[in-house]
Order: sequence, then structure tokens, then C-alpha cells
Amino acid sequence: EPEVTQTPSHQVTQMGQEVILHCVPISNHLYFYWYRQILGQKVEFLVSFYNNEISEKSEIFDDQFSVERPDGSNFTLKIRSTKLEDSAMYFCAGSSGTPSYNEQFFGPGTRLTVL
Amino acid sequence: KNEVEQSPQNLTAQEGEFITINCSYSVGISALHWLQQHPGGGIVSLFMLSSGKKKHGRLIATINIQEKHSSLHITASHPRDSAVYICAVTWGDKLIFGTGTRLQVFP
Repeated sequence: EPEVTQTPSHQVTQMGQEVILHCVPISNHLYFYWYRQILGQKVEFLVSFYNNEISEKSEIFDDQFSVERPDGSNFTLKIRSTKLEDSAMYFCAGSSGTPSYNEQFFGPGTRLTVL
Repeated sequence: KNEVEQSPQNLTAQEGEFITINCSYSVGISALHWLQQHPGGGIVSLFMLSSGKKKHGRLIATINIQEKHSSLHITASHPRDSAVYICAVTWGDKLIFGTGTRLQVFP
């Protein structure tokens, strides 16, 4: 069964450094998402991406964040200058159609630790 | 803004018991999702529903659109059902998540 993959599984970085989190969605998916979960808290929406552009983003997704789907398979989340409060589990997800009518399939997550 | 509330926050059960987890939301939605998160952190979709009832194995999900309420039931619970169960609603192009219910089933 096809699945969403994410790399790395764990990333440790120094405050102020740039990080790129990688996701390979399921091949026939058209809608892509990034969510994050700070330890002990609920999952929060960051951004949705469709047709090569951001369709919706949250207040969390400020100018320090960007997303890209450079080659039609990878879907990346970049944090330009990491802060301590960016430490969280980041989940990539995808769906084959509009989120109103389609399940989302999640990757295993990347745990980001900012020191 | 849509608020998603779940109850209970924590639940312990003996193997074989019938489990119910509740979810309520504040604004009309197009779909509601039940998700399972295991200790390693991975999230798996269990159900997506917009009306009525769905069943998959020992899991049953129901939704009442008028009351803005959904329930997830587990029949004949088993220790392997131990996980965090999360309710989420589709709101625009995103999911809004509840805080989750931590379930522990003891043999």
C-alpha cells in the first residue's frame, strides 16, 4: 500500500539555522499539507498546498516558513531561521481530492529539536 | 473559528470493555475525521464522515450534524487499541484538531 514518507525522522539544529524537512507524498495525491505538534499539545495546521501554490496558511506560518514542490514528487517545508519554539513534530499529509470530501494520509513525522 | 472539544481526555479500560469517545465542534463543517496516534507519533486516519455512521471492524463512528457531535466506539477493546484518538474537522482547506483522548486498555 502506498504511503507518505518523511525525512529525516529526527533533526537537531542550532537556533538561527535553516532547516528543510522533506516529504514524499503518495503519487496520485493533489493536495498537500504540513502540520506540527508541539510536545504534549494538539496537532496544528501550518499550510495547505494545491496546484503549486499555497491555498491556505495559519498564523503560525509566517515569513520564516516556506513550502515548495520542486520536482513533482518531493514536498518540502523550510524554516529559515529556527527558534526554540519551533521544536515540534512536523507531519506532512496529502489527499487525492478536496479536503472536504477526502481523507488525509499522514507521514510518520519529523521530530525537530532546536537547541 | 471552529473549536473542537473531546472527552474524556484520558480513559482506561479492561480488555473487552466497550469504549466511547466523544467529540463536539462549534461551527458547521463539511467532514469530521477520527484519527489514531500511536506512542511513536505516527497518525493514521480511521474514519472520515459527514453524516450517519461508519463501521470498520470493531470501530464505529457516528455523527449528528444538527447537534455538532460525533462519537467513536470501540467494541471488545484490546490492549493493542491503546493509543491517542483524535477528532478533527475539515474547515476550509485544513483540519482543525481536538486535543485527543488517551486510551489505555489493560489485559
